[in-house]
Amino acid sequence: VQLVESGGGLVKPGGSLRLSCVAYGFTFSSYRMNWVRQAPGKGLEWVASISSSSSSMSYADSLKGRFTISRDNAKNSLYLQMKSLRAEDTAVYFCARGQGGGTSDYWGQGTLVTVSS
Amino acid sequence: EIVMTQSPATLSVSPGERATLSCRASQSVSNNVAWYQQKPGRAPRLLIYGASTRATGVSGRFSGSGSGAEFTLTISSLQSEDFAVYFCQQYNTWPPITFGHGTRLEIK
Repeated sequence: VQLVESGGGLVKPGGSLRLSCVAYGFTFSSYRMNWVRQAPGKGLEWVASISSSSSSMSYADSLKGRFTISRDNAKNSLYLQMKSLRAEDTAVYFCARGQGGGTSDYWGQGTLVTVSS
Repeated sequence: EIVMTQSPATLSVSPGERATLSCRASQSVSNNVAWYQQKPGRAPRLLIYGASTRATGVSGRFSGSGSGAEFTLTISSLQSEDFAVYFCQQYNTWPPITFGHGTRLEIK
């Protein structure tokens, strides 16, 4: 099992960014997927989750309306579209495979998003 | 939102000794708690789910216990590779999935 994120970088406040995560080594279409972020020197913060078929998406309340999670099972890929970015969105963003009710059993290495002018 | 409170924030333990980390939920979460280990610059690693079930490949030195609102992660006979930050997470009532702020386990 391997998860590889990409798409992070430096973006100005108010800007947009799209993160991607490609999955390898398992049947991607069978698993719920999560995005979790970690601000520098801080703890883990759940961002969003999407069901295996994309029938259900959930978001942290503070991010609703600005972030959109999606997936393309044909491409074994997970996405996070982020808009109206703020300095407090600066973090490493991890994609993670959902296991059972709400845990994450495999994680990518993360991609750093820096929001700064 | 369920708040997860971990204690202590930092725990200093000597190699070979036992470490006990605590996590308290602001309301009952049944046994829907997971524990993760994170080393600097690395992704978190799932250790325990269902409060007491070890994830695949996790050493038997790690054990979890508790139910309701009080949970414990115990690491017996600490080895050098165990010094890291540990996070608890509840998934009983979500969204949102919530994490504790972490306990840093350091070498005494």
